[in-house]
Amino acid sequence: EAEVAQSPRYKITEKSQAVAFWCDPISGHATLYWYRQILGQGPELLVQFQDESVVDDSQLPKDRFSAERLKGVDSTLKIQPAELGDSAMYLCASSSGQGADYGYTFGSGTRLTVV
Amino acid sequence: SQKIEQNSEALNIQEGKTATLTCNYTNYSPAYLQWYRQDPGRGPVFLLLIRENEKEKRKERLKVTFDTTLKQSLFHITASQPADSATYLCALAANNAGNMLTFGGGTRLMVKP
Repeated sequence: EAEVAQSPRYKITEKSQAVAFWCDPISGHATLYWYRQILGQGPELLVQFQDESVVDDSQLPKDRFSAERLKGVDSTLKIQPAELGDSAMYLCASSSGQGADYGYTFGSGTRLTVV
Repeated sequence: SQKIEQNSEALNIQEGKTATLTCNYTNYSPAYLQWYRQDPGRGPVFLLLIRENEKEKRKERLKVTFDTTLKQSLFHITASQPADSATYLCALAANNAGNMLTFGGGTRLMVKP
């Protein structure tokens, strides 16, 4: 069964350092999402891509977060500098169509701890 | 403000019983509603989708209802098993938000043998 690959699985970083997460969606899925999930809460959308274009990044803290999907396939989410409040699970998801008519396939996430 | 509310308290039920989870929303005009299962330390897994013009959807032991008048969805698991223990998330796609999903906080279900 096809999966969304994410790495690293776990990341511990010091405050003010830079950190990056990688996501490889299911082959052929044009739409890619990055979500952040704080423990005990639901996922919150950070950014949505359609192919290589950003569809929505209104909830992305752009002073420290950046996301790219240069070739419309895999994607990288970066935080610089990391803050204590960024500790969370960062989830990548992909779907075969734009919009929620299709279920999302999520990766296993990257658990970030900022110390 | 827009809200999606799920019971934050865990639901504990006995094996074999029907589990019913609730998702309420305010200030949304959802085009779709989806339910996901999430195990600890893992990403959510898609279970079911129901559209605004559908009242009920079934898949094996799962049933979802959608009442746009009450602004509520109910998620049922019949003949529950300990393996059904997980957190269940509802998610809405609003008509005026590019159909992007917004998630509720989830409800943890514990099925005891």
